[in-house]
Amino acid sequence: EAGVAQSPRYKIIEKRQSVAFWCNPISGHATLYWYQQILGQGPKLLIQFQNNGVVDDSQLPKDRFSAERLKGVDSTLKIQPAKLEDSAVYLCASTPGRFEQYFGPGTRLTVT
Amino acid sequence: LAKTTQPISMDSYEGQEVNITCSHNNIATNDYITWYQQFPSQGPRFIIQGYKTKVTNEVASLFIPADRKSSTLSLPRVSLSDTAVYYCLVGDSGGSYIPTFGRGTSLIVHP
Repeated sequence: EAGVAQSPRYKIIEKRQSVAFWCNPISGHATLYWYQQILGQGPKLLIQFQNNGVVDDSQLPKDRFSAERLKGVDSTLKIQPAKLEDSAVYLCASTPGRFEQYFGPGTRLTVT
Repeated sequence: LAKTTQPISMDSYEGQEVNITCSHNNIATNDYITWYQQFPSQGPRFIIQGYKTKVTNEVASLFIPADRKSSTLSLPRVSLSDTAVYYCLVGDSGGSYIPTFGRGTSLIVHP
């Protein structure tokens, strides 16, 4: 069974530029999560989708971050414009149920 | 939302049993306890999940006392490859579940 796919794996941009991350969850997984993980900290949930609907986005900085999950499968997370403090690893996860999440390899973003 | 508290770090040696305890004093009736493992440069990996008493799988055991205010992840006979960060999460089995990772416990296994 294929795992959660993410791309790109690494991205370096300058502040105020835009960036987008892509996630393809495991087939059949209805719930998809995007996390931000800053070095030395645990993953912080940004947004949770159930199929193509948003379950929770209370920690998503909506002035600069946006996410969508069209057709309830793939998802994209966008940052526009990026700030230095957005440098982190962005993780995507999916789950068939409630608690057992399957994580992708993440995208390491460096904002200079 | 039940808050969890774990030790920041632990050290062990190869072949020893490691027990990592997580406190969740305000755990709710419908909450389950889930543990994840994370290696550097990788996403977290699900290890084990439980509600009460004891759960065991091929990787670890999870001990939950009757009051459920804490839980202990037990790793038998650790090896160098068990060096990782371990996270304890508590979440509701019904309604909306918002997974919350703390800082986790950094386990270092020495030769």
